[in-house]
Amino acid sequence: DQQVKQNSPSLSVQEGRISILNCDYTNSMFDYFLWYKKYPAEGPTFLISISSIKDKNEDGRFTVFLNKSAKHLSLHIVPSQPGDSAVYFCATGRFGAGGTSYGKLTFGQGTILTVHP
Amino acid sequence: DAGITQSPRHKVTETGTPVTLRCHQTENHRYMYWYRQDPGHGLRLIHYSYGVKDTDKGEVSDGYSVSRSKTEDFLLTLESATSSQTSVYFCAISEGTGLRTFNYGYTFGSGTRLTVV
Repeated sequence: DQQVKQNSPSLSVQEGRISILNCDYTNSMFDYFLWYKKYPAEGPTFLISISSIKDKNEDGRFTVFLNKSAKHLSLHIVPSQPGDSAVYFCATGRFGAGGTSYGKLTFGQGTILTVHP
Repeated sequence: DAGITQSPRHKVTETGTPVTLRCHQTENHRYMYWYRQDPGHGLRLIHYSYGVKDTDKGEVSDGYSVSRSKTEDFLLTLESATSSQTSVYFCAISEGTGLRTFNYGYTFGSGTRLTVV
């Protein structure tokens, strides 16, 4: 029972255009949402996050949008660059929850982004 | 410069043999996690630790055990390796369940690629 789903295994985009990566979740108790980027033979690295009290968070070329009613988040990369080619994971968790969550993150399956020059 | 290291980086082992993977951190973080990455499944939590000698199971804990006898080390043991445990294993650390973890995410190690033949 996948609580976090990234339904697109791959995405191909031209350099300079927008990349949009999507993620759906099922548990309305999740209140923090994160995106990670992973290059081959390396560990995932944190990219950007958003809490459930916001609907948008921006950091340079990266913007994350959260639609709580649809239980959907997306990552926009504008403009896309060849160096953005990587696997992108969305992740979610419950902040606090009386300590019982222990900061556990649930990850999606990942989307392979390829940005062509 | 890495605050988290995993060893070994690569290992090939035979079915039925015990295997121990090590995660070592220099950040003095309380929380440590073991994930495995498999195609189509993304990152799945195996076990986690919320302090020395305090550990609990994640979503795919069968066939794995962990130990944490000191803050800096978190060991993952496959008691009797099977081919289904061929995977890339990632260790992650975080300061806690607070806002910092969710605003800045975990820090991941570089991974251990384990092949069970």
